[in-house]
Amino acid sequence: GAVVSQHPSWVICKSGTSVKIECRSLDFQATTMFWYRQFPKQSLMLMATSNEGSKATYEQGVEKDKFLINHASLTLSTLTVTSAHPEDSSFYICSAKREYYNEQFFGPGTRLTVL
Amino acid sequence: SQQGEEDPQALSIQEGENATMNCSYKTSINNLQWYRQNSGRGLVHLILIRSNEREKHSGRLRVTLDTSKKSSSLLITASRAADTASYFCATVYISSGSARQLTFGSGTQLTVLP
Repeated sequence: GAVVSQHPSWVICKSGTSVKIECRSLDFQATTMFWYRQFPKQSLMLMATSNEGSKATYEQGVEKDKFLINHASLTLSTLTVTSAHPEDSSFYICSAKREYYNEQFFGPGTRLTVL
Repeated sequence: SQQGEEDPQALSIQEGENATMNCSYKTSINNLQWYRQNSGRGLVHLILIRSNEREKHSGRLRVTLDTSKKSSSLLITASRAADTASYFCATVYISSGSARQLTFGSGTQLTVLP
């Protein structure tokens, strides 16, 4: 149990386009989902925390207008990278958490390459 | 930044040897977790240790926690080539409230040579 999927697993896009990444909890209801960003050979940096039905809380330095997060249901959160630029190229990972539980379950990640 | 530090950054050992990775963090924690990440993949949860625990075992894994030194160690015994991966510690700080956000350490790249 506790499987989290991400789609797509990789995407290549041109500079200036917007890219949507989906994160789904397949067999549990995720009251909270987290979005992370990871550059090569570096650690995961939390971008934002989203609770179902409410606005996401962004970490300092993360532009909310550039990284749009929607958590419309207990099983789906989306991250949209708007007007993507080459510096947005990264590995984006989501995780999902059930209420009252400590553990976060991570998705397999999405590799974004902006040309 | 509250990000913790891990050492070593990279560790290369022979199959069968033990691997020890250390993690230090900055403020009071609720719990500390260890994750594994294969190259270009998502994270796999290995073990969670609460702030009132000092040691925990799971299979070939042994985790210790010293809250007075704000440090933890992960020991992998009898390592295998398949253990090759990056290992991250992650803390849930008390200040993170109900969100229980994870703050990741810098990671250790473990290479187990056959």
